[in-house]
Amino acid sequence: KAGVTQTPRYLIKTRGQQVTLSCSPISGHRSVSWYQQTPGQGLQFLFEYFSETQRNKGNFPGRFSGRQFSNSRSEMNVSTLELGDSALYLCASSLEGASDTQYFGPGTRLTVL
Amino acid sequence: AQTVTQSQPEMSVQEAETVTLSCTYDTSESDYYLFWYKQPPSRQMILVIRQEAYKQQNATENRFSVNFQKAAKSFSLKISDSQLGDAAMYFCAYRSEEGANSKLTFGKGITLSVRP
Repeated sequence: KAGVTQTPRYLIKTRGQQVTLSCSPISGHRSVSWYQQTPGQGLQFLFEYFSETQRNKGNFPGRFSGRQFSNSRSEMNVSTLELGDSALYLCASSLEGASDTQYFGPGTRLTVL
Repeated sequence: AQTVTQSQPEMSVQEAETVTLSCTYDTSESDYYLFWYKQPPSRQMILVIRQEAYKQQNATENRFSVNFQKAAKSFSLKISDSQLGDAAMYFCAYRSEEGANSKLTFGKGITLSVRP
């Protein structure tokens, strides 16, 4: 089975712009979670989607949003980019619920100038 | 809220030797899952091992094993016969079993280097 894929792998944006990141889960997986990784804050949970619905949300401002499509693919969007949004954004997929292991994609490295 | 603590930021081990990475967590829940993930320089997070809190037996995966002490809220990872490819950042993570919550709470990570 193919693993979790994320596109693009690298992005450079300027402050004030918006960005959309994409994640394709492992085939058959219905849950997709997003995490932000920075040197200062470590790995932080952004949100989780299951069956096209946001099931859980972390403590991030409303500039961070996401969605999930009927094929379980997910996108996250960050509007009005700030320098502090520079990070590695990781997507993870799992079958359904809390008992299922999450498998991670390679991440998208976002740099905000 | 649950917290995960990895107090050692860095560790080093000689190739073929054994190393133990420490992790403690804080929770008021009785059912949960614990994980160790490895993140090599490629930044891809790779699952190393998983432990269900209701299981008393410690999980093992080839050269990797855990020492799960539920009462002490401790979850250490032992790597036996260390290999150069084990060099990476290792993260301990917690996940609740309550509801459908799939959120992982991570520790700060520990950088493991392997000396040839």
